[in-house]
Amino acid sequence: QQQVKQSPQSLIVQKGGISIINCAYENTAFDYFPWYQQFPGKGPALLIAIRPDVSEKKEGRFTISFNKSAKQFSLHIMDSQPGDSATYFCAATTTGGGNKLTFGTGTQLKVEL
Amino acid sequence: GAVVSQHPSWVICKSGTSVKIECRSLDFQATTMFWYRQFPKQSLMLMATSNEGSKATYEQGVEKDKFLINHASLTLSTLTVTSAHPEDSSFYICSATRQGPYYEQYFGPGTRLTVT
Repeated sequence: QQQVKQSPQSLIVQKGGISIINCAYENTAFDYFPWYQQFPGKGPALLIAIRPDVSEKKEGRFTISFNKSAKQFSLHIMDSQPGDSATYFCAATTTGGGNKLTFGTGTQLKVEL
Repeated sequence: GAVVSQHPSWVICKSGTSVKIECRSLDFQATTMFWYRQFPKQSLMLMATSNEGSKATYEQGVEKDKFLINHASLTLSTLTVTSAHPEDSSFYICSATRQGPYYEQYFGPGTRLTVT
C-alpha cells in the first residue's frame, strides 16, 4: 500500500516534444506529491509539487496533472529540451505523518536533438 | 533559498575505517533530516529519519550500529559509517525538511563513498 508505481522506466523524446511520466499510488492518506529531477552524480532537486485538492499545477514548462479518483498523477514537460535529460522521480507523502517520502522507481528521460 | 550542503562530496577509505558525512541546511532550520542511499540507476532508499535532539529512527534492515546518525542542531546532521566495508560503497544523500504548509523536502548534492 506504500508503493508508488512509476512508468515508463525510460523515455526518449525529440527536442520540442512533450515528455509524459506517470505515477500511481494506493495509499489514500498521501496528501503531497512532489516531483524530483536528478542529474548523474547529483542529489535530487525539487521540481514541482501538488496537493490533492487541485487537479493541475503548472510552473513554466512543467505541469502536474492529478486524478484523485484514479489515484494517479503525471508530469508533463512541454517543449522538452536536451537540458531536461535527467532521471525524474515522483514521490508521495503524508505531511502529518513524519513526511517520509515514498519514491517511484524513476524515469530516465533523454531528449534528442 | 532552501539549500542543503553535504561534505565531503566524495570520499575513499580503507576497509575497516569509519567515515563521517555532514549534512547542513544553509538557509533554513530543518525540522527533520533524512538519510538515503542510492545505488546506480535505482531509486532512493531511505535509511533513517533524524530529528534534532532525539535519536534517529532507522528503517527496517538498516544497521543502526553501523550507520550512526547524530542530529546536533536544526541545521546539522551527520552520518558516520563505522567499520566500512566494500559493500557500503554507495551514493549517500541527505535531505532536510523546511517547516511550512507543505514541509518540502530538499536534498543535498550527495556523497560518493568508495571503500577499498
